[in-house]
Amino acid sequence: AQSVTQPDIHITVSEGASLELRCNYSYGATPYLFWYVQSPGQGLQLLLKYFSGDTLVQGIKGFEAEFKRSQSSFNLRKPSVHWSDAAEYFCAVGARGAAGNKLTFGGGTRVLVKP
Amino acid sequence: EAGVTQFPSHSVIEKGQTVTLRCDPISGHDNLYWYRRVMGKEIKFLLHFVKESKQDESGMPNNRFLAERTGGTYSTLKVQPAELEDSGVYFCASSQMKETSEYSDTQYFGPGTRLTVL
Repeated sequence: AQSVTQPDIHITVSEGASLELRCNYSYGATPYLFWYVQSPGQGLQLLLKYFSGDTLVQGIKGFEAEFKRSQSSFNLRKPSVHWSDAAEYFCAVGARGAAGNKLTFGGGTRVLVKP
Repeated sequence: EAGVTQFPSHSVIEKGQTVTLRCDPISGHDNLYWYRRVMGKEIKFLLHFVKESKQDESGMPNNRFLAERTGGTYSTLKVQPAELEDSGVYFCASSQMKETSEYSDTQYFGPGTRLTVL
């Protein structure tokens, strides 16, 4: 069975500082990997996804993530955080299959941004 | 293009009552998913529709939950009777059919319905 671990429940970062959110997954083959963000009062918004190819994936809002097969990780990074990045971030893995795929989510990391 | 919409945004009911949640997917999306996040826990898969058919309902917690997708458009999730442990946020997501089995579909989520059972 697939699983996702986000070790950090909360992270506080100063505006302008860099941010890295950790994600480790367990899956029997090469997974599909996603990062979603949920801002207060909003739904889940897709930041980026990895299906295959280049292991460094660029997303929206200046985020990027790197797939490291040897470490079973898909960490999310942003070089300079803005106050609007305060939100909860979810890593998810999807199974390769036929018509569609259910996502397995990590527990989420809540990011607080200090002025 | 309108995104995934869910109604209501909040619902507060008493234990034993019935609640129906509605999801309108993005137009043209054949895949529709329901997920739930119970407080303090992960977002968990409930079920997946392809058009009007249930493709996978392995995440449905018990027979108090009934999901339907009449005509392959909007979907409803009914909880009857509601229990305290059903409280949480219920998310709906939709996606297009994949062109091949190699790639995953990209799911677009609605804002969720926050259900509180007292």
